[in-house]
Amino acid sequence: KQEVTQIPAALSVPEGENLVLNCSFTDSAIYNLQWFRQDPGKGLTSLLLIQSSQREQTSGRLNASLDKSSGRSTLYIAASQPGDSATYLCAVFSGGGADGLTFGKGTHLIIQP
Amino acid sequence: SAVISQKPSRDICQRGTSLTIQCQVDSQVTMMFWYRQQPGQSLTLIATANQGSEATYESGFVIDKFPISRPNLTFSTLTVSNMSPEDSSIYLCSVCRDRGYEQYFGPGTRLTVT
Repeated sequence: KQEVTQIPAALSVPEGENLVLNCSFTDSAIYNLQWFRQDPGKGLTSLLLIQSSQREQTSGRLNASLDKSSGRSTLYIAASQPGDSATYLCAVFSGGGADGLTFGKGTHLIIQP
Repeated sequence: SAVISQKPSRDICQRGTSLTIQCQVDSQVTMMFWYRQQPGQSLTLIATANQGSEATYESGFVIDKFPISRPNLTFSTLTVSNMSPEDSSIYLCSVCRDRGYEQYFGPGTRLTVT
């Protein structure tokens, strides 16, 4: 059964810093990996989708990498801003069970002004 | 992307009753999913709802407790039956154009069972 782990569970950094969030998964047979952000009391916003054949994806200040063989992904946030404060969730699609995503528990990020 | 709405946005229900949550998307999609997020936890898939077929439930979830309908390509409902306080969660609908594509989530329904 696929399991997804995110490290660290929480992170607090000053504004302007570059930071890296980590995600690992136990079964490397995935179709894709998706990063989301969740703001308090709200749903999920999709940030980046990486297909299993890709190594990385970029959107603005965000860059996500995927090393499928080692079961790892990282989300790099450049020049962090207070508006980046949220919980970041990593999820993988492995195609088993009911065909949905398997989520990690998230990294709660606080950017200090 | 897709614009997804859910009704109700929140509700407080009595133990033993049932609640039906609606999910509407602004474009036709092949796959719709229902997830649960219990307090302080991450998301867990309940089931996948595809038009024209029975919903597929993840291990640990059963149709009698969580009946699902998918009457067309833009709408689905999830019913939480015979509720107990342990069912207090956020229930989220998500959609996917087709298998393996990006998933988009609705705003969620916050359910409290007393």
